[in-house]
Amino acid sequence: DAGITQSPRHKVTETGTPVTLRCHQTENHRYMYWYRQDPGHGLRLIHYSYGVKDTDKGEVSDGYSVSRSKTEDFLLTLESATSSQTSVYFCAIKGQGGTGELFFGEGSRLTVL
Amino acid sequence: AQTVTQSQPEMSVQEAETVTLSCTYDTSESDYYLFWYKQPPSRQMILVIRQEAYKQQNATENRFSVNFQKAAKSFSLKISDSQLGDAAMYFCAYRSAWTQGGSEKLVFGKGTKLTVNP
Repeated sequence: DAGITQSPRHKVTETGTPVTLRCHQTENHRYMYWYRQDPGHGLRLIHYSYGVKDTDKGEVSDGYSVSRSKTEDFLLTLESATSSQTSVYFCAIKGQGGTGELFFGEGSRLTVL
Repeated sequence: AQTVTQSQPEMSVQEAETVTLSCTYDTSESDYYLFWYKQPPSRQMILVIRQEAYKQQNATENRFSVNFQKAAKSFSLKISDSQLGDAAMYFCAYRSAWTQGGSEKLVFGKGTKLTVNP
């Protein structure tokens, strides 16, 4: 158990509304990630963080912003949700081992109507 | 940029039989890590097996083993004695061993859905 909690686990919202997903970890990991999963696309990286206030974009970052004001929390914000952002969102942390595998939260299913 | 290709969107296997899932990747690097993740219907992402590129020996974890062919850039997953609980999406992933410039991230393939028939 990597101690990762995502909230909310499910959310339905309307186009144009802001949405924030939260990832909370309990083990002081430096690296945190947000991926989205869509059928036929696998998992694609949205943003990641390599420390407090240190973030960078992934391959599908348009329409998303992130913040990390403390080690344990990594927030993903959709400023104005669109139907194309309907997806399952996964938070992950990088393990301490040499191979650097990721450990994932349980996912958050977001539906934008 | 590195890419990972899983050419089999779906596979099926009979219970107790062996199945191999394919994965190829494209990279110009010589040092990297490869992973297989399992995602059952519960949606949880579970690490199945990992391989370090500088190790020639293929990784094994119980009934799961890989065939790592570095020159061919191939990393297939073999599941022996398949069980009903092996039914899941399987994702292949790549990570550079270079630890600067944003390389601390995994690149995933699109996945293979494995069905296990009783």
